[in-house]
Amino acid sequence: ETGVTQTPRHLVMGMTNKKSLKCEQHLGHNAMYWYKQSAKKPLELMFVYNFKEQTENNSVPSRFSPECPNSSHLFLHLHTLQPEDSALYLCASSQGRQGGQPQHFGDGTRLSIL
Amino acid sequence: GDSVTQMEGPVTLSEEAFLTINCTYTATGYPSLFWYVQYPGEGLQLLLKATKADDKGSNKGFEATYRKETTSFHLEKGSVQVSDSAVYFCALSDLRDPGSGGSNYKLTFGKGTLLTVNP
Repeated sequence: ETGVTQTPRHLVMGMTNKKSLKCEQHLGHNAMYWYKQSAKKPLELMFVYNFKEQTENNSVPSRFSPECPNSSHLFLHLHTLQPEDSALYLCASSQGRQGGQPQHFGDGTRLSIL
Repeated sequence: GDSVTQMEGPVTLSEEAFLTINCTYTATGYPSLFWYVQYPGEGLQLLLKATKADDKGSNKGFEATYRKETTSFHLEKGSVQVSDSAVYFCALSDLRDPGSGGSNYKLTFGKGTLLTVNP
């Protein structure tokens, strides 16, 4: 039980499809994050939300569209993706306000673009 | 900006061997330091942390000491097991204040070190 649940665990989609990744945290945290993990590359931070407000967008292409309706839920809407977008997408949450607090991760969604 | 450098690996050890994975960092302030572990098919799990100089984090037989003078946070374990096979990430936290809604904490990660322990 990680406290951060991601669905689906695996997703295969064509380049013209639209799909969404979902993340839910049960830890009472107020900050949520999307990361991309590709083979042989460092973990890439994509988006940060704090109290439902987006505070960081690390030059992510517009084909990735995040949504944070409340502090417990985070979505990543996908549209017209490219083969290089195939990766493990990880969601994380943290308390945010207190120093030294770690991030808690879900198990990720393994995305494959055909 | 902040950065984390860890030994690239892969590291292959026999069961009961001693493990060291080196990690050094660059930061402008006084960050908190973390080691995360990622088992196959799973997300990252916090292994241990240290929030100030000379703190020692420990968990499951793993230890790391926050060394400000050498800007290091090396991970050690005296006797590894096959079940320790995983990817290990060193990370530091960076206090960012967006100016509204309070603060959040960005993590800067190393590239990860793959550890394989053979029976």
